[in-house]
Amino acid sequence: GAGVSQSPRYKVAKRGQDVALRCDPISGHVSLFWYQQALGQGPEFLTYFQNEAQLDKSGLPSDRFFAERPEGSVSTLKIQRTQQEDSAVYLCASSSVGFVRGEQYFGPGTRLTVT
Amino acid sequence: AQSVSQHNHHVILSEAASLELGCNYSYGGTVNLFWYVQYPGQHLQLLLKYFSGDPLVKGIKGFEAEFIKSKFSFNLRKPSVQWSDTAEYFCAVMREYGNKLVFGAGTILRVKS
Repeated sequence: GAGVSQSPRYKVAKRGQDVALRCDPISGHVSLFWYQQALGQGPEFLTYFQNEAQLDKSGLPSDRFFAERPEGSVSTLKIQRTQQEDSAVYLCASSSVGFVRGEQYFGPGTRLTVT
Repeated sequence: AQSVSQHNHHVILSEAASLELGCNYSYGGTVNLFWYVQYPGQHLQLLLKYFSGDPLVKGIKGFEAEFIKSKFSFNLRKPSVQWSDTAEYFCAVMREYGNKLVFGAGTILRVKS
């Protein structure tokens, strides 16, 4: 069965460029999460959607980071004016229920390298 | 704010050795606890979880974890590891009725055949 998919899998951006990372959650999953994983670290929460509503964006590191999920399915994480410290793997996860008791299913991630 | 500490970043074991990976969290309220595993080249996947009830939780592939509330710990164990257990293991915590997982830094386990 189809799991969470993310594209692109790898992205190289020059400092100052804008990037857009896409997440396709498991069909029908209500909740969608974005995490950032720096090298040698565990994933860190960025933001959370329930359907199309962004209920928590407390983890977004700056106003250069923006996420949307306009139709409650596919989500896009956009990073404007990328900086070297944005280099990381960006993980998307989805869950079938509104909050915590549902397992979060993770995608393969997008590895972003900012040069 | 919650935080999770995993005591060992790298562990090397021989096949059939016993495994225990330490995990401590800091949060005074009720939490839900998780262990995730990432096999080489694969996605993060759930190994086991604790919400309530019996503090000894059994997961997939013979793994288990014990929640000790007084020690704020949720250590992962396996009596006899196999080469196929080579992976990175992440402990994570979520406050009750929360929405975000807080992960530890991970432990890379290498099992020598």
